[in-house]
Amino acid sequence: GAVVSQHPSRVICKSGTSVKIECRSLDFQATTMFWYRQFPKQSLMLMATSNEGSKATYEQGVEKDKFLINHASLTLSTLTVTSAHPEDSSFYICSADGGATDTQYFGPGTRLTVL
Amino acid sequence: GENVEQHPSTLSVQEGDSAVIKCTYSDSASNYFPWYKQELGKRPQLIIDIRSNVGEKKDQRIAVTLNKTAKHFSLHITETQPEDSAVYFCAASMNQGGKLIFGQGTELSVKP
Repeated sequence: GAVVSQHPSRVICKSGTSVKIECRSLDFQATTMFWYRQFPKQSLMLMATSNEGSKATYEQGVEKDKFLINHASLTLSTLTVTSAHPEDSSFYICSADGGATDTQYFGPGTRLTVL
Repeated sequence: GENVEQHPSTLSVQEGDSAVIKCTYSDSASNYFPWYKQELGKRPQLIIDIRSNVGEKKDQRIAVTLNKTAKHFSLHITETQPEDSAVYFCAASMNQGGKLIFGQGTELSVKP
């Protein structure tokens, strides 16, 4: 089946630094990828839709200058959390549109802790 | 935009009993409704989905029903087992590969 990977799986950083998270579709091409954020014991909240070769579409309330999304190829989307603060600590999960199978496949998630 | 409400937030059942989780959605344009099971610290796993042209779908012990007129859909798990214990999320989307709007989640506990 289709596989989506994320790197890193866990990251701890100091407040004020930037962190990049990668989302890769390993055995299929994804023109569209999605980024979600999940706080402890809460639901997945859609942050943005990432389209290959074009600007991401952000959900209301998500700061595009703080959460930079780049989808430079059909197999890779990156999310950069700029000037991270403790309140950005969360579980970040990406998903990829399977295209022909028309199903979304989720990555394993990245646990971000900002000290 | 779309809003998905999910109930209950927690559900405890005895092994072998049935569990039912209900969701309502607001946007009548939504036509794809997946259910996910998520274990602690893991990615959501698709367990069953339904499209708006179908009223019911079943896969072994799991079934989903959809009432498009009332804009609600439900997950039914029969003969529950301890390994069914997890958080379950419903979601709605305009299409099968489109962005998902999730419900709040239901923490299911199956007691042996």
